[in-house]
Amino acid sequence: DAGVIQSPRHEVTEMGQEVTLRCKPISGHNSLFWYRQTMMRGLELLIYFNNNVPIDDSGMPEDRFSAKMPNASFSTLKIQPSEPRDSAVYFCASSLVARIEDYGYTFGSGTRLTVV
Amino acid sequence: AQKITQTQPGMFVQEKEAVTLDCTYDTSDQSYGLFWYKQPSSGEMIFLIYQGSYDEQNATEGRYSLNFQKARKSANLVISASQLGDSAMYFCAMREPPRDDKIIFGKGTRLHILP
Repeated sequence: DAGVIQSPRHEVTEMGQEVTLRCKPISGHNSLFWYRQTMMRGLELLIYFNNNVPIDDSGMPEDRFSAKMPNASFSTLKIQPSEPRDSAVYFCASSLVARIEDYGYTFGSGTRLTVV
Repeated sequence: AQKITQTQPGMFVQEKEAVTLDCTYDTSDQSYGLFWYKQPSSGEMIFLIYQGSYDEQNATEGRYSLNFQKARKSANLVISASQLGDSAMYFCAMREPPRDDKIIFGKGTRLHILP
């Protein structure tokens, strides 16, 4: 299995632009999570899906952030409009709830977002 | 309220020595799970070990073991015979099923292994 695939790996954009981050979870996993990592705030859970349904989006910082999971093999995190304080590494992770004790979450390589 | 507390922002340890990374947690649930992840400088998050709240024995995985003290609400990670490749950021995390499936992470401890 190729693991959790995130794209792009790096994104530099200007303030005010729309940014879309993409994630392909591991086939067969039924939960998907979006995290943001910064030096100041550490790893923050933004939103998670179970069987493609958003379960908890309480970590989404503002209405500028939105996430979708149209099917079991694809999810997007969109920021519109982007601001410099959104600069961070964004991780996508997936898991099979029944095997989480053995494998935890599997994380993607992350997208490093820089908003200038 | 912070649910996962890692009190050691950074540690320096001599190669081949054992290392203990501290983690305390806060929950009122009886059913929960504790995780440790490693994040090397390359940035990826690597799952190391899991301990369930009902597990009677401490979890072990190769050189990693989890010192689980339920009454004290601590779940310290022990790395035996440390290696240079163990230098990384280490995160303790918790999940509280069935109420909640999400994993919440602590702030992490940066471990430096000295040759």
